[in-house]
Amino acid sequence: QVQLVESGGGLVEPGGSLRLSCAASGFMFSDSYMTWIRQSPGKGLEWLSYISGSGADISYVDSVKGRFTVSRDNAKDSLYLQMNGLRPEDTAVYYCARYARVPQRWGKGTTVTVSS
Amino acid sequence: VVMTQSPLSLPVTLGQPASISCRSSQGLVYSDGSIYLNWFHQRPGQSPRLLIHRVSNRDSGVPDRFSGSGSGTDFTLKISRVEAEDVGVYFCMQGTHWPFTFGGGTKVEIK
Repeated sequence: QVQLVESGGGLVEPGGSLRLSCAASGFMFSDSYMTWIRQSPGKGLEWLSYISGSGADISYVDSVKGRFTVSRDNAKDSLYLQMNGLRPEDTAVYYCARYARVPQRWGKGTTVTVSS
Repeated sequence: VVMTQSPLSLPVTLGQPASISCRSSQGLVYSDGSIYLNWFHQRPGQSPRLLIHRVSNRDSGVPDRFSGSGSGTDFTLKISRVEAEDVGVYFCMQGTHWPFTFGGGTKVEIK
């Protein structure tokens, strides 16, 4: 069955960087749009980015554009989110999900805390 | 696109119906003719689970007591008979206009 496992979260100081990973299994990863979504108590659920199966189609929400970079390695069935210039308001649980317009399956999430 | 849900909180009696409303600030018809209005359920400590996609299509394994309807900018999720496992927060989400957006959530609890 479809399984998505996020990792890489943690505590980081403002201005710092983290790289999140999402390991996928149980489906044709290279054929699937993939998505990053975050959830925080203050801002609820927020779409961050999606990437097509080939990596040619990528979009970001304005709040992370220029700071976050999504990528994928289809040989490793893995999705990544490089996060630079982190701010306290980026504190959230970060989820990867399969598909974009209909995010059908989600991982359990990884927690990112930005604080000094 | 702003997604507005109501009510924020919904106390329900077991076995009774429940209804959640979701309103979008603009129409959600995509260029392929689909309306990407989805509903999710999130239990405490868990990630959201897809219940309904494209207004009225139940995802695999979703009980038939859940149904979705709507058109234009007004959409509804209905539970025909609430069961104890249905507690949690329900979110609507639009996948038509980028950036895709979620409603603020409706918390369903048992009276």
